[in-house]
Amino acid sequence: DTVLTQSPALAVSPGERVSISCRASEGVNSYMHWYQQKPGQQPKLLIYKASNLASGVPARFSGSGSGTDFTLTIDPVEADDTATYFCQQSWNDPRTFGGGTKLELK
Amino acid sequence: EVQLVESGGGLVQPGRSLKLSCVASGFTFSNYGMNWIRQAPGKGLEWVAYISSGSSYIYYAETVKGRFTISRDNAKNTLYLQMTSLRSEDTALYYCARQRYGGLFDYWGQGVMVTVSS
Repeated sequence: DTVLTQSPALAVSPGERVSISCRASEGVNSYMHWYQQKPGQQPKLLIYKASNLASGVPARFSGSGSGTDFTLTIDPVEADDTATYFCQQSWNDPRTFGGGTKLELK
Repeated sequence: EVQLVESGGGLVQPGRSLKLSCVASGFTFSNYGMNWIRQAPGKGLEWVAYISSGSSYIYYAETVKGRFTISRDNAKNTLYLQMTSLRSEDTALYYCARQRYGGLFDYWGQGVMVTVSS
């Protein structure tokens, strides 16, 4: 299976820029997607196919990367962005998720 | 508005069975592949099973293959997951999720909890 590795946690101040990384154990082309999960809620799609903003998602969120290295960027970070962010690949079977990066605000 | 509402969860003993349902509304259910994805308490996300729009293609994670069965009734806009021979490691919040072209999950239900314990 394709293993997706994310840093477990990050802490930033409101107004700053944050980059959340996701590294795949093998190439996934551009088929990397990002989700936001707030406590007690279901995941919500943010970015699909590496860099495409999902409907209704603020332009503060952006994605980049291809192959094995991907980044989700939030600029500027707002208090409401406190959540866990998961990457997910759909190039290789089975679909796999990263372990999640918990974003905390200082 | 797209809505996915899961039901059928609960506390079940190891080795027993349980059937989850997910009722869809707000879109043409028969046009989309659907998935079950689970999340153990405090853990990450694990894809469990996929069924294509017309039920022609079905795939399972190795961890549930042979024990779980995904199915759908397009006339009732409902997705199912029949779970048998349940184990403690199947304890999780189970989400149904709509799949869009490209293999991404664009809408998720609120989840239903399954607890396997004696």
